[in-house]
Amino acid sequence: QVQLVESGGGLVKPGGSLRLSCAASGFKFSDYYMAWIRQAPGKGLEWVAFISGLDSAIHYADSVKGRFTISRDNDKRSVYLQMNSLRDEDTAVYYCARWSQPLDYWGQGILVTVSS
Amino acid sequence: EIVLTQSPGTLSLSPGDRATLSCRASQSVANNYLAWFRQNRGQAPRLLISGASTRATGIPDRFSGSGSGTDFTLTISRLEPEDFAVYYCLQHGFSWTFGQGTKVEIK
Repeated sequence: QVQLVESGGGLVKPGGSLRLSCAASGFKFSDYYMAWIRQAPGKGLEWVAFISGLDSAIHYADSVKGRFTISRDNDKRSVYLQMNSLRDEDTAVYYCARWSQPLDYWGQGILVTVSS
Repeated sequence: EIVLTQSPGTLSLSPGDRATLSCRASQSVANNYLAWFRQNRGQAPRLLISGASTRATGIPDRFSGSGSGTDFTLTISRLEPEDFAVYYCLQHGFSWTFGQGTKVEIK
């Protein structure tokens, strides 16, 4: 069965960096776009970035462009989100999700807290 | 950017009731690329409907989606306990945007 497991979250100071990972299993990873979506405490969903199966297409939300980098390693069946210059407003639960019809499988989410 | 406005903000209903949720786009959604998700408290969202009206795998037929262009509707024919949750629409016809959500609560 399809599984997505995020890791790498935690507490970081404003201006700091963090790298999230998402390990996938149960499907042919390289065939699928993957995405990161976040949800601030008590708020709605906001898409962050997505990446095509072979890295040919990468897109970012304006709110993270220039600060976050999405990447993937198809051999390791993993997708990553490098987050730099973190701000208070980046505090959220970050979900990775498989893009199919769309977003048909989601991980359980990982909390990132940006606070001094 | 396409803005999605969901209404109402909160819907207070009883188990067995019919729920009608609206998602209105600021401009036409290309190819009716409009999806609906349900998010139960403390859980990740779950895909219910794609392409405005196609139920996702494993989604019961009490869920139905309709609409085109700028106006879309999610209907739940008979509310089950697990349906008391927050619902989001997503358009992916031009970039991606989520609506702000509709909470369906127990009356």
